[in-house]
Amino acid sequence: QTVVTQEPSLSVSPGGTVTLTCGLRSGSVSTSYYPSWYQQTPGQAPRTLIHSTNTRSSGVPDRFSGSILGNKAALTITGAQADDECDYYCVLYMGSGISVFGGGTKLTVL
Amino acid sequence: EVQLVESGGGLVQPGGSPRLSCAASGFTFNTYWMHWVRQAPGKGLMWVSRISRDGRATYYADSVKGRFTISRDNAKNTLYLQMNSLSAEDTAVYYCAREVSVAGTGIDYWGQGALVTVSS
Repeated sequence: QTVVTQEPSLSVSPGGTVTLTCGLRSGSVSTSYYPSWYQQTPGQAPRTLIHSTNTRSSGVPDRFSGSILGNKAALTITGAQADDECDYYCVLYMGSGISVFGGGTKLTVL
Repeated sequence: EVQLVESGGGLVQPGGSPRLSCAASGFTFNTYWMHWVRQAPGKGLMWVSRISRDGRATYYADSVKGRFTISRDNAKNTLYLQMNSLSAEDTAVYYCAREVSVAGTGIDYWGQGALVTVSS
């Protein structure tokens, strides 16, 4: 059973920088997993932030960036704003047509 | 403008077999892979299924394999999810989503979701 790991919760100060990570319980994440990142506020559909590791989706501000850091995929938010406070999910493509979501990170801006 | 509109959700009895539909517009439907993703109440997102542009290739999460069937009608610009043998664990909002142009690289557009509640 593949498990994709994310920090359950993180906090950041307004205007600060925070990095969320997306890993594998066994193994390292590389660009071959095409990590993607999604933002979701309660009661709303997800919004795509990043796909293919570091490609921002249309309309996403450049303070959201994706990368590989060490053995994990990473989403970095710079200049955090109050409305960045929500849930963030990563997805990894495992090959053979299968994708797996991480458990999500609840981000608090305080 | 890309639009994905799900329908077919509602209250379903355990063991029921509803079919969800997703009407797509604003893009050339038959040139994109499509997904279903679900979210149980208060829980995270879970990938359910993926289908190729022509419908010939389909993939499923282990938890739904053998019970759910994804399909599409490119003439009607519509994606479907046939769900069988439902249990309470299948209660969720089901989202239709479009894959980025290159298969496997992520989702770019989402529908608003359809709630399926499995209860007697």
